[in-house]
Amino acid sequence: DIQMTQSPSSLSASVGDRVTITCRASQGINIYLAWFQQKPGKAPKSLIYAASSLQSGVPSRFSGSGSGTEFTLTISSLQPEDFATYYCQQYNTYPPTFGGGTKVEIK
Amino acid sequence: EVQLLESGGGLVQPGGSLRLSCAASGFTFSGYAMAWVRQAPGKGLEWVSTISDNGGNTYYADSVKGRFTISRDSSRNTLFLQMNSLRDEDTAVYYCANQIATSGRRRLDSWGQGTLVTVSS
Repeated sequence: DIQMTQSPSSLSASVGDRVTITCRASQGINIYLAWFQQKPGKAPKSLIYAASSLQSGVPSRFSGSGSGTEFTLTISSLQPEDFATYYCQQYNTYPPTFGGGTKVEIK
Repeated sequence: EVQLLESGGGLVQPGGSLRLSCAASGFTFSGYAMAWVRQAPGKGLEWVSTISDNGGNTYYADSVKGRFTISRDSSRNTLFLQMNSLRDEDTAVYYCANQIATSGRRRLDSWGQGTLVTVSS
């Protein structure tokens, strides 16, 4: 199975900060990488697919980049509603696998 | 608007069975692959199973293979997960999600609100 490693596992940031989360795959996955946002007690929500394609309705402050084994999710200016846990997921090969999550907390 | 509504969760003893359902609306159900993803309390996300749009192909995580069966009824726009021989470690919130296929890969798109399965004596 492909292992997905996210870093950091948690971070503290202020409103307006630029935030970057990294996801590494244990082997190449081309661009088949998705990012999800999850708030406490809620279902995950799709943010980005194919490494850099923004899901419809997602604010443009979210962006994704990368290919192969290294990927990043960037929030250009953190907003109060962005405090949540973020997961990456590869869907290049079965089984689809998720990173361990990055919890973004208020500083 | 896509809506996915899971039901069927609850408390079950180890070794028992449970059948989850996911009622879909707002999209052409028969045109989409569907998946189950679970999340143990306080833990991350784990893919469980996928079924193709026509039901002809199914895929399972090793952790549930041989115990869980995914199926769908396109006449009722409903996805199912039959869970047998349940173990403590199957305790989780179970989400259904539709999947969009591009270039032979299926990505998770819209998710339901989840249903809690608790396996305990």
